[in-house]
Amino acid sequence: DAGVIQSPRHEVTEMGQEVTLRCKPISGHDYLFWYRQTMMRGLELLIYFNNNVPIDDSGMPEDRFSAKMPNASFSTLKIQPSEPRDSAVYFCASSFRRLDTGELFFGEGSRLTVL
Amino acid sequence: RKEVEQDPGPFNVPEGATVAFNCTYSNSASQSFFWYRQDCRKEPKLLMSVYSSGNEDGRFTAQLNRASQYISLLIRDSKLSDSATYLCVVNGAGGSYIPTFGRGTSLIVHP
Repeated sequence: DAGVIQSPRHEVTEMGQEVTLRCKPISGHDYLFWYRQTMMRGLELLIYFNNNVPIDDSGMPEDRFSAKMPNASFSTLKIQPSEPRDSAVYFCASSFRRLDTGELFFGEGSRLTVL
Repeated sequence: RKEVEQDPGPFNVPEGATVAFNCTYSNSASQSFFWYRQDCRKEPKLLMSVYSSGNEDGRFTAQLNRASQYISLLIRDSKLSDSATYLCVVNGAGGSYIPTFGRGTSLIVHP
């Protein structure tokens, strides 16, 4: 079975440009998470969806960040305009049913560098 | 106080050694606990769940101490391939029922 698929794997862009990160969760998973990982702050939850509906976006740093899940097989995380402090690895993860059963399946991540 | 705290390490141990990591959490109502492993420049992957009675998977043993609000991971007979970052994950740590990750503990196993 295919795992969580993220694209692009690497992105280098200049400050002020729009960045769109994409995620395809595992088929049948009804939770989707966007995390950001940096050396300083570790893995931070940005937003998560349940059945395509955003449930908690309190981790989204500011209005420059937005996320959508138009259907069960696709989600995007957009940064507009991007800033150097947004440089990080962005992970998408999906999960099936109840969150207390634990396992999140992560994509390989999108490594973003904003110059 | 952070919701989930771990000693970042690195823990530098020789092959064959036994090493233990702890992780503390702040919310006593947290429901479930896990250890994930993350290799360098890779994604995190579930290593094992942590059950109230403690559980073992080969060389790995996980324990939960609710009274003191910490979980632990013990690795026996360390292998070179165990070198990675070990992430503690707590569900319900922030008061909502979502997974919160610690920043991870780095383990380096040397020959």
